[in-house]
Amino acid sequence: AQSVSQHNHHVILSEAASLELGCNYSYGGTVNLFWYVQYPGQHLQLLLKYFSGDPLVKGIKGFEAEFIKSKFSFNLRKPSVQWSDTAEYFCAVTANSGTYKYIFGTGTRLKVLA
Amino acid sequence: KAGVTQTPRYLIKTRGQQVTLSCSPISGHRSVSWYQQTPGQGLQFLFEYFSETQRNKGNFPGRFSGRQFSNSRSEMNVSTLELGDSALYLCASSQLRGETQYFGPGTRLLVL
Repeated sequence: AQSVSQHNHHVILSEAASLELGCNYSYGGTVNLFWYVQYPGQHLQLLLKYFSGDPLVKGIKGFEAEFIKSKFSFNLRKPSVQWSDTAEYFCAVTANSGTYKYIFGTGTRLKVLA
Repeated sequence: KAGVTQTPRYLIKTRGQQVTLSCSPISGHRSVSWYQQTPGQGLQFLFEYFSETQRNKGNFPGRFSGRQFSNSRSEMNVSTLELGDSALYLCASSQLRGETQYFGPGTRLLVL
């Protein structure tokens, strides 16, 4: 069955700490991968995406993610978090042909302490 | 461009009633998807419409239905509401299927 797993449900970090959020997926075929973010009181919005090419992708606000095909993973990283990164982060996968069914992970709530 | 809009923003209903939620996608976007968001469950996919046809459906009972109009606007309907249907219902649109989705603010439904 198609699925996306986010291993960390709640993460608490101090400002300037490094962040890595795990995302693993089970999805047959070639995939498009996304990280979305939901800041408090705001809409879900795209943080970054991978369709093809360089497996290390950079997004907004200094975030990056690496697609490791052999591990079915797409982990999100940021070298130094800020208080304003407090949000909920969702990993998502969709096929890039055929069904195009979008699957979201359950999300990771990140709290950054000032 | 205007973003994805959803109406109403808040709804309170009682068990057994039915409800219709509306979504207007970004102009030019033909794919509209609906999600149910609840604490701890993340985003549960309901269905996707593209060119007025349902293309994908999630694992929800038949009480949940939807449709898309020729102008790409979409509605979803929930009949015979249950307490467990209380959630934030999100609509997302994309220009093409499988691409970046743009989300609306959601409709918060409370079933009493």
